[in-house]
Amino acid sequence: DSGVTQTPKHLITATGQRVTLRCSPRSGDLSVYWYQQSLDQGLQFLIQYYNGEERAKGNILERFSAQQFPDLHSELNLSSLELGDSALYFCASSVNGEQFFGPGTRLTVL
Amino acid sequence: AQSVSQHNHHVILSEAASLELGCNYSYGGTVNLFWYVQYPGQHLQLLLKYFSGDPLVKGIKGFEAEFIKSKFSFNLRKPSVQWSDTAEYFCAVKAPGSQGNLIFGKGTKLSVKP
Repeated sequence: DSGVTQTPKHLITATGQRVTLRCSPRSGDLSVYWYQQSLDQGLQFLIQYYNGEERAKGNILERFSAQQFPDLHSELNLSSLELGDSALYFCASSVNGEQFFGPGTRLTVL
Repeated sequence: AQSVSQHNHHVILSEAASLELGCNYSYGGTVNLFWYVQYPGQHLQLLLKYFSGDPLVKGIKGFEAEFIKSKFSFNLRKPSVQWSDTAEYFCAVKAPGSQGNLIFGKGTKLSVKP
């Protein structure tokens, strides 16, 4: 157990819908990273937040957005979902350069 | 384009065989290097990391990796694999100047036959 929690574990939805994925970092970790893991693209960095502020953006689509709240939990919002958004979404929190990953949310878009 | 390359997509070994998984990166400057393992249905776990110092890094579960700066490589090794090592292995780089996000290779699936 890495100490990073993610909910829900599985999410099945339809194209065009919007979903919210939630992540709670390890106690005391200020940084949260979101990654997408898909069969064709592998593991890709989406976005990073540090203490409530966006710090870095990777290959994140405009339909996707994220935020980090004062209690440091983060939410990843995915809208206008497409079949190709089906993937495993991980969040990670870090200390001293080492990232600890959550169990992931498996999103299936039908 | 800057990237992380893992040479093998799928490696199949018998128990007690030696393992070496290749990883090359294309970033210049100082990089931090990582190997993560993902057991079936589980999250990514850190095997080992290199930030500086001794280029031969020892990790958990008997794994080690060698950083060779001149070759831009960070290969993962284990002298004798076990069936329980069956998993997917990811090499990752924290690039210079980044905010800490990792760039991952495509992963190598390791299957160990009992």
